Amino acid sequence: EAQVTQNPRYLITVTGKKLTVTCSQNMNHEYMSWYRQDPGLGLRQIYYSMNVEVTDKGDVPEGYKVSRKEKRNFPLILESPSPNQTSLYFCASSLKGGVGGQYFGPGTRLLVL
Amino acid sequence: DAKTTQPPSMDCAEGRAANLPCNHSTISGNEYVYWYRQIHSQGPQYIIHGLKNNETNEMASLIITEDRKSSTLILPHATLRDTAVYYCIVRVVLGGNEKLTFGTGTRLTIIP
Repeated sequence: EAQVTQNPRYLITVTGKKLTVTCSQNMNHEYMSWYRQDPGLGLRQIYYSMNVEVTDKGDVPEGYKVSRKEKRNFPLILESPSPNQTSLYFCASSLKGGVGGQYFGPGTRLLVL
Repeated sequence: DAKTTQPPSMDCAEGRAANLPCNHSTISGNEYVYWYRQIHSQGPQYIIHGLKNNETNEMASLIITEDRKSSTLILPHATLRDTAVYYCIVRVVLGGNEKLTFGTGTRLTIIP
């Protein structure tokens, strides 16, 4: 089944404790992206990747890192999480070129205490 | 990307066609109309997109007016599982960063 998977789905952590949220897609998509969704603020892009080893900042990259060593994986790293990073996170992918839709993962709900 | 306007909420009876309107009066010639939906904090789901011709897939139909200033998403036989927030987006397809920006959307409630 074609899908985007994220792990973990739910995470409670404390300020400053490094964490990684994994994202994997099995559709051989070139484009991948991370978003966060907060009430009243809609969907905001954190980072995106056009292809392997190519990543760039979105609108809200501060406090996050990403890497794209393989086509299928695009992990999101929070080196020193803070409470303002409490949010619902989505990973998405698409074939390339912007035509056609993006496929989203199920989301990761993160609470930073 | 051009701005879109959608009604904040709509109801539709189960089994009937749900028609969701979207106004995009400032759309330019190379901008596509996309529809996504989000069911209660799940990942957004791509539904359909089009440029100027009407489009149909297994989920829905997209009707774009001849002047392209508005469109309608049609769910032909709505079920309770179609209850969701529906987002209409207008964007240029150039490759590059495919960032999605959702507005407030239309909250569609399917009534049993």
